[in-house]
Amino acid sequence: EAGVVQSPRYKIIEKKQPVAFWCNPISGHNTLYWYRQNLGQGPELLIRYENEEAVDDSQLPKDRFSAERLKGVDSTLKIQPAELGDSAVYLCASSGRQGSNSPLHFGNGTRLTVT
Amino acid sequence: AQKITQTQPGMFVQEKEAVTLDCTYDTSDPSYGLFWYKQPSSGEMIFLIYQGSYDQQNATEGRYSLNFQKARKSANLVISASQLGDSAMYFCATYTNAGKSTFGDGTTLTVKP
Repeated sequence: EAGVVQSPRYKIIEKKQPVAFWCNPISGHNTLYWYRQNLGQGPELLIRYENEEAVDDSQLPKDRFSAERLKGVDSTLKIQPAELGDSAVYLCASSGRQGSNSPLHFGNGTRLTVT
Repeated sequence: AQKITQTQPGMFVQEKEAVTLDCTYDTSDPSYGLFWYKQPSSGEMIFLIYQGSYDQQNATEGRYSLNFQKARKSANLVISASQLGDSAMYFCATYTNAGKSTFGDGTTLTVKP
């Protein structure tokens, strides 16, 4: 099966500019996650989707971050405007079933650099 | 709130030897899963092994085994017969039935030839 696909792989922007990341999960996976990973740290959840519904967005900085998964398949994460502190790797993951025994399948991530 | 603690920022092991990466966790959920992921320098997170909170036996997957001590809230990863390709960052994570996931800050493993 094809894995989780993310694009772009790298992005360099100036502060105050907008940026968007795209993720296509594994076919049939209803649960989709966006994580942010700062250098030398573990991933931190930004938002979790069950199909097209955002069921956990408590850690999403809603003043500048937004996300959508309109048809319950692929998803877009947007930052507007970007700040220097947003430089990180943004990881998308999906899982095939709910429950605590379902491993996450990750994409390769998008490395964002804000200058 | 959940918390994962990985106390070893960096570990070294000689090729072909075994190594244990430590992980302690804190969760109030009675049902949870414990996961280990490997992140090579390429950046992709790779699932290694899973342990359920109600599992009686320690999980094993090839050269990976999980030393699960529920009372101590620890879930250490044991890698046997280390290979050069095992050099990577390793993350411990919990996941609850409520959908909450928490990752530790990782341990960098370097395998020496």
